[in-house]
Amino acid sequence: GAVVSQHPSWVICKSGTSVKIECRSLDFQATTMFWYRQFPKQSLMLMATSNEGSKATYEQGVEKDKFLINHASLTLSTLTVTSAHPEDSSFYICSAPRASNSYEQYFGPGTRLTVT
Amino acid sequence: SQQGEEDPQALSIQEGENATMNCSYKTSINNLQWYRQNSGRGLVHLILIRSNEREKHSGRLRVTLDTSKKSSSLLITASRAADTASYFCATSNTGKLIFGQGTTLQVKP
Repeated sequence: GAVVSQHPSWVICKSGTSVKIECRSLDFQATTMFWYRQFPKQSLMLMATSNEGSKATYEQGVEKDKFLINHASLTLSTLTVTSAHPEDSSFYICSAPRASNSYEQYFGPGTRLTVT
Repeated sequence: SQQGEEDPQALSIQEGENATMNCSYKTSINNLQWYRQNSGRGLVHLILIRSNEREKHSGRLRVTLDTSKKSSSLLITASRAADTASYFCATSNTGKLIFGQGTTLQVKP
């Protein structure tokens, strides 16, 4: 069935560097994808909506210049954490609607980011 | 921002018992969904209930929705050790999912 993949599954980077996380829809196209952040033992917080061919829509309190989102194609969205700091360490998860008119979403397996 | 609260935050039961989790939300919704997350993994969609529905079943899952109280419940019957996971409700109005705090369920064999 249709799935969503993320790469890398985990990454460790030094403070001040940038990290790119990829989210791919497999076997289906996604004009919209969503990015979430999850801290340990907490729920998912929606960060932004990634739109193919246009700018991402960020949730209140999320810095667009720090979390750069690019929806380059109908199957790929990327999240770049720029100038990462230890407080950016988190579990980042993407999702995509099952169909253009569906409210149900497929979730990627997540990317564990650790900033040292 | 979080949509609402889930309770209990944690639940520990024996295999074979039923597990009930509750979710409350704050705003009007188009639908409410339940997802499961195994530790350190992505989320798996379990069931969707629309705002005009009151109850829905899927296998061992039963979901109820009370829009007047802005609440929903998820019942897992005859639980199994493999049901051990975190369960989240999520509301949707515009396509975006807003998640509740989640309930961590442990099913002891």
